[in-house]
Amino acid sequence: QVQLQQSGAELVRPGVSVKISCKGSGYTFTDYAMHWVKQSHAKSLEWIGVISTYYGDASYNQKFKGKATMTVDKSSSTAYMELARLTSEDSAIYYCASLAGTGYAMDYWGQGTSVTVSS
Amino acid sequence: DIQMNQSPSSLSASLGDTITITCHASQNINVWLSWYQQKPGNIPKLLIYKASNLHTGVPSRFSGSGSGTGFTLTISSLQPEDIATYYCQQGQSYPWTFGGGTKLEIK
Repeated sequence: QVQLQQSGAELVRPGVSVKISCKGSGYTFTDYAMHWVKQSHAKSLEWIGVISTYYGDASYNQKFKGKATMTVDKSSSTAYMELARLTSEDSAIYYCASLAGTGYAMDYWGQGTSVTVSS
Repeated sequence: DIQMNQSPSSLSASLGDTITITCHASQNINVWLSWYQQKPGNIPKLLIYKASNLHTGVPSRFSGSGSGTGFTLTISSLQPEDIATYYCQQGQSYPWTFGGGTKLEIK
């Protein structure tokens, strides 16, 4: 079955960077792009961007340009997202999501990675 | 960016009721509209894609309709397990955007 396994929770100091991983299994990883979504505490969902798992090119929400950098490692079926120069505004749960089922919507989600920025 | 205006932001209904959540897009998104359910402490779960297509395993009491700029999610015969927050999301163009969510509670 399709699974997206994300890396564990992070507690980081302001100003540093953090890199989250998302490993896909149960499907051909390079057949579907990987999306990333942010959910701040008790808030709605924000689409960060999408990366082609085959070509490695990415499209970003303008709001997250310079903040998020998405990469992929096809050999390990893993997508990564690095968040730079962290502030308290970046404290949130970050999800990876794939369209591996329907091909039209985010039907498979990782379990989420909590990032807490605190001094 | 395409704005997604979702209403109501919260809703209280009784078991067995039929409820409707609406989502209005700021421009034409054809049928590129999905609905997600997120229960407290859980990840979002896809319910409806392409405006009216029920995702695999989703109970038939959930239904979606609409096209262009106006969309609805209907839940008939409300069940206790339907307590959740529901989000619409447009997939017409990047950046994909979500509605603000509708928190559903049982009276």
